[in-house]
Amino acid sequence: DAGVIQSPRHEVTEMGQEVTLRCKPISGHDYLFWYRQTMMRGLELLIYFNNNVPIDDSGMPEDRFSAKMPNASFSTLKIQPSEPRDSAVYFCASSFGQHYGYTFGSGTRLTVV
Amino acid sequence: GENVEQHPSTLSVQEGDSAVIKCTYSDSASNYFPWYKQELGKRPQLIIDIRSNVGEKKDQRIAVTLNKTAKHFSLHITETQPEDSAVYFCAAALAGGYQKVTFGTGTKLQVIP
Repeated sequence: DAGVIQSPRHEVTEMGQEVTLRCKPISGHDYLFWYRQTMMRGLELLIYFNNNVPIDDSGMPEDRFSAKMPNASFSTLKIQPSEPRDSAVYFCASSFGQHYGYTFGSGTRLTVV
Repeated sequence: GENVEQHPSTLSVQEGDSAVIKCTYSDSASNYFPWYKQELGKRPQLIIDIRSNVGEKKDQRIAVTLNKTAKHFSLHITETQPEDSAVYFCAAALAGGYQKVTFGTGTKLQVIP
């Protein structure tokens, strides 16, 4: 398996633009997590899914953020409109069972200028 | 909710020495404690985890100890090598049900050759 695949690896966008981050979890994993990492706030859980169903989105900063998982092999995190404070590395992770080791993707480094 | 505190935030050791990172958690019901290693510019990777039915777990040069009474757990790295230099994150969760894994703030370990 190629692991958790995220795209793009880097994204630079202007404030106000829509940004879509993509994630392909490991086949067979039933949990998918979206994390945001910054120096100031560390690793923040934004939202997670179990069997494609959103379970907890309490970490989503505000209505500008939305996430979907239309099927077991694909998820998106969308920010619209983007703001400079959204600049961070966004990681997707998946696991088989919630309380087993997560496999993280390589992350998307988002810069909003 | 669960709160995980991690110390120290930075740690420098000479190559060959041991390194110890400590974490405390607030929810006495937590029973799953993973540790992740994140090298500079890379993804977090699970290096070891422990569940509350055991007090210690070892994997080569890495060991985790758990004190449920005191609600703290520690990562021990022996015979450190330069490739151990990274940020280490502890985490805690109540396994079972939809309980979030809460991460500590990270410890930056530098192994000096």
